[in-house]
Amino acid sequence: ETGVTQSPTHLIKTRGQQVTLRCSSQSGHNTVSWYQQALGQGPQFIFQYYREEENGRGNFPPRFSGLQFPNYSSELNVNALELDDSALYLCASSLGQGRDGTQYFGPGTRLTVL
Amino acid sequence: SQQGEEDPQALSIQEGENATMNCSYKTSINNLQWYRQNSGRGLVHLILIRSNEREKHSGRLRVTLDTSKKSSSLLITASRAADTASYFCATDAGNQGGKLIFGQGTELSVKP
Repeated sequence: ETGVTQSPTHLIKTRGQQVTLRCSSQSGHNTVSWYQQALGQGPQFIFQYYREEENGRGNFPPRFSGLQFPNYSSELNVNALELDDSALYLCASSLGQGRDGTQYFGPGTRLTVL
Repeated sequence: SQQGEEDPQALSIQEGENATMNCSYKTSINNLQWYRQNSGRGLVHLILIRSNEREKHSGRLRVTLDTSKKSSSLLITASRAADTASYFCATDAGNQGGKLIFGQGTELSVKP
């Protein structure tokens, strides 16, 4: 158990809808990173938030956006859902921009877009 | 884009045998990490090795890093059925906002 929690566990949406995924970081961690993992692939970095500011972004379109709150929890928002957005979404928390590099992952949210 | 290439993509062994997985990467790194994932669930951090380290041990795990060849290996000794999972290497370049770049993973099956 890493102490990182995500909600919901599973979600089904239809194409064109919007979705919000939530992540609570491990106690004491001020950095949250989000990853998308398609079936049979390794996770791909979406973005990272450090002290409520976006701190780095992967190759994802602007319809993927995020927030980090003062308690360091975070949201991932995806607008105008596409079928290819179906994936496991993982958040990971770390201390000080992953000072030692270690990121602690939550159990993920499985998103299905129909 | 995936930085790491893992080899083999799938590995099936008997309980008690050793399992070796390899990872190659393309760019300079600050550290390399290995993670385990059970059946599409969250990733569990196994071990981190820094670019100035060559070998690291943790319990039944042994990781090596060869920065000249841009490769790493993960050895699991005396494997158990509970080790059945997917294993991923991930690299941290240290200058990309905490971005970890994952390989596609090795699916390990340990038969009792």
